[in-house]
Amino acid sequence: AQKITQTQPGMFVQEKEAVTLDCTYDTSDQSYGLFWYKQPSSGEMIFLIYQGSYDEQNATEGRYSLNFQKARKSANLVISASQLGDSAMYFCAMREGVKVIFGPGTSLSVIP
Amino acid sequence: EADIYQTPRYLVIGTGKKITLECSQTMGHDKMYWYQQDPGMELHLIHYSYGVNSTEKGDLSSESTVSRIRTEHFPLTLESARPSHTSQYLCASSLQGAGGPGDTQYFGPGTRLTVL
Repeated sequence: AQKITQTQPGMFVQEKEAVTLDCTYDTSDQSYGLFWYKQPSSGEMIFLIYQGSYDEQNATEGRYSLNFQKARKSANLVISASQLGDSAMYFCAMREGVKVIFGPGTSLSVIP
Repeated sequence: EADIYQTPRYLVIGTGKKITLECSQTMGHDKMYWYQQDPGMELHLIHYSYGVNSTEKGDLSSESTVSRIRTEHFPLTLESARPSHTSQYLCASSLQGAGGPGDTQYFGPGTRLTVL
């Protein structure tokens, strides 16, 4: 069964606009962690943001924020004021035991 | 900023050759991981290590092998490369692995392998 679901294979956003990338997850653990990574065309995986399951506040890192809705098991990434350099693949991930499970990714294209 | 390195960045090699992909990190992380990723697709865990002399197979079956003789070094070896091994290989490390922000995996730049 798919543990991490990202329903948007591809997204477009106008430069300077905000965009939300969806992520839902499936776990029976009470304690877990959620991550978002960015992968530009060069191939490296860049860590963006972390949310712990017990964190009461949504995580924020600069222009990135994580909209964490525990009851709905969703952890959407919000990118504010999109820039051309934000064009990349974005992967949602969840810690399960000692491993991290990655979703299929969403391709984001920022339009000038 | 993560200090994790992979060499080579690109490798084109013929079928049947033995290859070793290098991965090293200077962060003192105990946990290290190897992922295989086809272009635009999700990552698949092929090997991981809890620490020195500890290695485990991941979720995706792989003909590769790994070793962990030193904390900072986690090389991956293919004894006989085949065209089906063509892919990107990403190495990662993390401080913990049992909860908290320390679980964050930091990735190397990757090795793009092409087997002809």
